[in-house]
Amino acid sequence: EPEVTQTPSHQVTQMGQEVILRCVPISNHLYFYWYRQILGQKVEFLVSFYNNEISEKSEIFDDQFSVERPDGSNFTLKIRSTKLEDSAMYFCASSVLLAGRNTIYFGEGSWLTVV
Amino acid sequence: AQSVTQPDIHITVSEGASLELRCNYSYGATPYLFWYVQSPGQGLQLLLKYFSGDTLVQGIKGFEAEFKRSQSSFNLRKPSVHWSDAAEYFCAVGMNYGGSQGNLIFGKGTKLSVKP
Repeated sequence: EPEVTQTPSHQVTQMGQEVILRCVPISNHLYFYWYRQILGQKVEFLVSFYNNEISEKSEIFDDQFSVERPDGSNFTLKIRSTKLEDSAMYFCASSVLLAGRNTIYFGEGSWLTVV
Repeated sequence: AQSVTQPDIHITVSEGASLELRCNYSYGATPYLFWYVQSPGQGLQLLLKYFSGDTLVQGIKGFEAEFKRSQSSFNLRKPSVHWSDAAEYFCAVGMNYGGSQGNLIFGKGTKLSVKP
């Protein structure tokens, strides 16, 4: 069964450093997303991406965050200058809209620890 | 504003017993509804989904869920729980409008423990 793959599975970084989280969405999917889950809290939507541009973003997704689809297969989330509060599990997800119905499939997540 | 409530933070059931996990949503129109499961250290796996039609939906691993519009609920059920079902379960609502519909609103999750 096709799946969303994410790398790295775990990254530790120092506060103020830039981090790039990578994702390979399911191959025929056209919509891509990042979500995050701070330990013990809800899974929260960050951003959606379609047709090479951001289609929706949450309040969390401020200027420190950016997304990119650098080639035909990868989808990345960059955090420019990490803060302690960015420590979380980051989930990449993808979907294809069929007959107006959107089923979102998630990857296994990338644990980011900011120290 | 849209929201999802999972009233039970932690549930413990005996192996072989039946299970029902509660989910209530707040949304102005007919929502798209999902249940995901997260095993320790793992990602979010889709169990089942509801878009329209039959209000009783079947999912993977023997799970089912029933959409009840009058109660704004989408409870997850399983007739006989297995030890491998121990995990955290998340209910989510998706917006029913055009576009990406990717902004899922998640509940806080219900952690399921299974006693032998």
